[in-house]
Amino acid sequence: AQTVTQSQPEMSVQEAETVTLSCTYDTSESDYYLFWYKQPPSRQMILVIRQEAYKQQNATENRFSVNFQKAAKSFSLKISDSQLGDAAMYFCAYRSANSGYALNFGKGTSLLVTP
Amino acid sequence: KAGVTQTPRYLIKTRGQQVTLSCSPISGHRSVSWYQQTPGQGLQFLFEYFSETQRNKGNFPGRFSGRQFSNSRSEMNVSTLELGDSALYLCASSLLGQGYEQYFGPGTRLTVT
Repeated sequence: AQTVTQSQPEMSVQEAETVTLSCTYDTSESDYYLFWYKQPPSRQMILVIRQEAYKQQNATENRFSVNFQKAAKSFSLKISDSQLGDAAMYFCAYRSANSGYALNFGKGTSLLVTP
Repeated sequence: KAGVTQTPRYLIKTRGQQVTLSCSPISGHRSVSWYQQTPGQGLQFLFEYFSETQRNKGNFPGRFSGRQFSNSRSEMNVSTLELGDSALYLCASSLLGQGYEQYFGPGTRLTVT
């Protein structure tokens, strides 16, 4: 089974600054997808960004971008110009056909944004 | 488009009872997945349905079951509730295919006393 590891239980960033959340995964597959989800205190899980393993180009969505290192099996999320509304739990997730399309989540990183 | 809806949002049950949770996917989405979220175990996959068929099942006991209707709405049922079943149950819908994002509902918070 694929393992997703988020080694930072908590992170803190000041408003307007940049923060990077780490994620590593373990797989022997070549075709898969990686996602970052955000879960604010409301508990609504929100998709932040996704990355296809076959694409070398890193995905970006406005202030959110990823650094995808396939050989190193690393998938970090960079949040630029952090805002108070970015405070949430962030989950890294892996999905592939071989995993039956189920999302395999990491334990999450709690991000605190300070004024 | 309306998002994924789940009912009820909160539920309190007694040990030994059974419970049914409902999920309506985004219009046009035929894949529905269920996840259990607890502080100790994190987010764990329960099962996934597509076109009324269970395609995949996580490592949960047989007390956890589900079904999907022809309109893609899904229900999950937990029988003989245990204290450890207290959790946030999340439903997610998706278009077909591994590359498509799963969109989550707000969840049902189940408390077993």
